[in-house]
Amino acid sequence: DGGITQSPKYLFRKEGQNVTLSCEQNLNHDAMYWYRQDPGQGLRLIYYSQIVNDFQKGDIAEGYSVSREKKESFPLTVTSAQKNPTAFYLCASSKMNTEAFFGQGTRLTVV
Amino acid sequence: AQRVTQPEKLLSVFKGAPVELKCNYSYSGSPELFWYVQYSRQRLQLLLRHISRESIKGFTADLNKGETSFHLKKPFAQEEDSAMYYCALGTQGGSEKLVFGKGTKLTVNP
Repeated sequence: DGGITQSPKYLFRKEGQNVTLSCEQNLNHDAMYWYRQDPGQGLRLIYYSQIVNDFQKGDIAEGYSVSREKKESFPLTVTSAQKNPTAFYLCASSKMNTEAFFGQGTRLTVV
Repeated sequence: AQRVTQPEKLLSVFKGAPVELKCNYSYSGSPELFWYVQYSRQRLQLLLRHISRESIKGFTADLNKGETSFHLKKPFAQEEDSAMYYCALGTQGGSEKLVFGKGTKLTVNP
């Protein structure tokens, strides 16, 4: 289905490696977000971007990096500096002052 | 700091019983409150937004600024309501920088 697409669905990473999670949207939304979802923790904001070539840190940005070169795309890189990267990652997008639409998520596991 | 508290991690009711999922928030500005729902194997989706004042799938939620609450209610729960529910606070007039609660898992038993 269209809307907002995250890939891959499952991702395995070795210790010390960087890995990039993809998020693409065809909703013409200005804002995009990355959240991390851990059991019993709810969703915590990693980074968000309200416009191309601009982004802001969320509450747990350490060990992550993003880019926003195109309106449709907001990839998240989990770097080796992230101490506990195993989690479920959710990408979302929204128009200003409207609801956020979420992707299906990527489950990242460090092996 | 902005914060959303959902005091119940798990909530179990029987079909046909009323259900109330609690949400309290902390924010000094003018809040925008949302309820999101995640059914099994489905993506997180918006259920309610306080400014819409709608009833979706029989659910309602009223913003009480005096009590800083946005509790979600349904008079007669259905089995298909079983899901994970998240209360969220928008701090910049909308979805910008949504702050989520930890979620309540609702189970409706037959």
